[in-house]
Amino acid sequence: EPEVTQTPSHQVTQMGQEVILRCVPISNHLYFYWYRQILGQKVEFLVSFYNNEISEKSEIFDDQFSVERPDGSNFTLKIRSTKLEDSAMYFCASSVGQIINTGELFFGEGSRLTVL
Amino acid sequence: AQKVTQAQTEISVVEKEDVTLDCVYETRDTTYYLFWYKQPPSGELVFLIRRNSFDEQNEISGRYSWNFQKSTSSFNFTITASQVVDSAVYFCALSENFGNEKLTFGTGTRLTIIP
Repeated sequence: EPEVTQTPSHQVTQMGQEVILRCVPISNHLYFYWYRQILGQKVEFLVSFYNNEISEKSEIFDDQFSVERPDGSNFTLKIRSTKLEDSAMYFCASSVGQIINTGELFFGEGSRLTVL
Repeated sequence: AQKVTQAQTEISVVEKEDVTLDCVYETRDTTYYLFWYKQPPSGELVFLIRRNSFDEQNEISGRYSWNFQKSTSSFNFTITASQVVDSAVYFCALSENFGNEKLTFGTGTRLTIIP
């Protein structure tokens, strides 16, 4: 069964360092997303991406964050200068169409980021 | 603004008991979509169901059933004859109409099934 894969599963970094989280969405999907979950809290939307551009982003997704689909298969989230409060599980998701039409987001297993 | 409330933070039941997880939502849209996701201890998010605002029929899938009541803005989830494998955090989520690509999640309910 096709799945969304994320790497790394866990990354530890020093505050101020740049981090890139990678995702390989399901191959025929067109919509891509990043969500995050601070430990023990709810899952929060960061950004959605379609047709090589951001379609929606949340207040959390400030100038420190960027997304890219560099090669047609990977979908990356970059945090330019990490802060302690960026420590969280980051989930990549993809869907074949818009949520309202297709209904299902397929989530990856997450990348846990720990900022020291 | 859209909001999802899951008032039950943690629930524990003995195996084979039935359990209902509550979800109350707020939205100004007349067209919206409601979801339930399961997050087992391994951490991934597993899709369970999607329901649109025009379909108030209750749904049953095996031991799982969902009760959608627009009058009370609730979308509750019942597990019948619970099993230990049902132990997980369950999230209710809401997506509003066209142009809004995000899911707004509730804070989740941690369900523990005691053998």
